[in-house]
Formats: sequence, structure tokens, C-alpha cells
Amino acid sequence: DSGVTQTPKHLITATGQRVTLRCSPRSGDLSVYWYQQSLDQGLQFLIQYYNGEERAKGNILERFSAQQFPDLHSELNLSSLELGDSALYFCASSVAGSGEGETQYFGPGTRLLVL
Amino acid sequence: GENVEQHPSTLSVQEGDSAVIKCTYSDSASNYFPWYKQELGKGPQLIIDIRSNVGEKKDQRIAVTLNKTAKHFSLHITETQPEDSAVYFCAASSRDDKIIFGKGTRLHILP
Repeated sequence: DSGVTQTPKHLITATGQRVTLRCSPRSGDLSVYWYQQSLDQGLQFLIQYYNGEERAKGNILERFSAQQFPDLHSELNLSSLELGDSALYFCASSVAGSGEGETQYFGPGTRLLVL
Repeated sequence: GENVEQHPSTLSVQEGDSAVIKCTYSDSASNYFPWYKQELGKGPQLIIDIRSNVGEKKDQRIAVTLNKTAKHFSLHITETQPEDSAVYFCAASSRDDKIIFGKGTRLHILP
């Protein structure tokens, strides 16, 4: 158990809908990262937050947004969902988010299925 | 930006034999190289990491080597066991503070 929690575990929705994925980082970690993992694909970095502020952006679609709250939990919002958005979404956390020599701890993921 | 190539994409080894997974990276400024293991239905878990000031690191049956000149690093698993079956990801830190992952290697341990 990494200490990172994600809810829900599974999510089934229809095209055009909007969903919110939630992540609570490990106790003491200030940085949260979101990744997308599609079938046969590696981990695609979406976005990083550090202590409530956006720190880095990856290949995140404009239909997707995220935020980190004062209690450090984070939410990833996916809107106007398309079939291709079906994937595993992982949250990870680290102490400070420097990226250099800092271990990221992953949550169990949310499996999103768009029908 | 940083690009990480990983191979092979699939690897089958007999139980008890060794497994080697290789990765290359493009950014010479990268200085942190973690390896993650992902079991079915779970999130990736860190199994070992190495920093650029070290050429090799070992933890029981797992070892990682780093060649900064050639910009490649490898994961070695000795005396493989059935529980080693999983997907393994290499990664490298990037200049802009991101961790870039390889596409993964699916390791099968054959009985």
C-alpha cells in the first residue's frame, strides 16, 4: 500500500458526459501528479500540482482540468468524454515535486470506461 | 524534451533464469532513473532507483546499471520467481522536473 488513495475504483459513463476523479496523496506529500494509461500504452503524464499550484503540464487535453485543494487532495475533471478517453487514470504523489531524484508513489488507479 | 525507449516490450524467461530489461534516454541532464513494477489491477510500485552519480545499485535479486556516457540503463532480475511476472517500467527525470516513463516490458516467468 503506497498511501495514495484514489476514488472511485471504477467508473462507467457515456460519451459527452463529465466525470471527476479524486486523489488523496500520502501524508506529508505536497505534490500530486496525474497520469493516463491506455491499453498497451505507457504512463502518459497529464499534469502536476504542488501545494495547490499547477507546476507542470504534459499532454493534457483542453477538455481535462485538475486542481489541488488546501487539504492537498486533488481532483481530475474530464468533460465531453469520448470513447478514446477510456483508460486507467493514476494519481501519484511526492514530497516536494522537484522531479530530480524524488520518488513518486502511485495510487491504485481509476478505471474509466466510456460507452 | 526527454524521451525514454524501453525494450523488449515482452520477455519470457524460465523460472530461475535471469531477466534483463534495457532503456535508453535522450536528455543528458537527466539524473534520476526509477524502475516501477505494475501487477495486474494495481498501480505502479517503485522497486529500485539509481542516481547519476552511481553506476550500479543492487537490492537482493534486483540490480540496476547506468551508463551515463551511452545514456542507457538496465534492470537485472536474477533467480526469477513466478511473482516477478508483471509489467516493468523504466523512467528518467527530465530537464523540466517531470518523470518520463518508457512504454513498459511485460515479463512472463515460465514454470
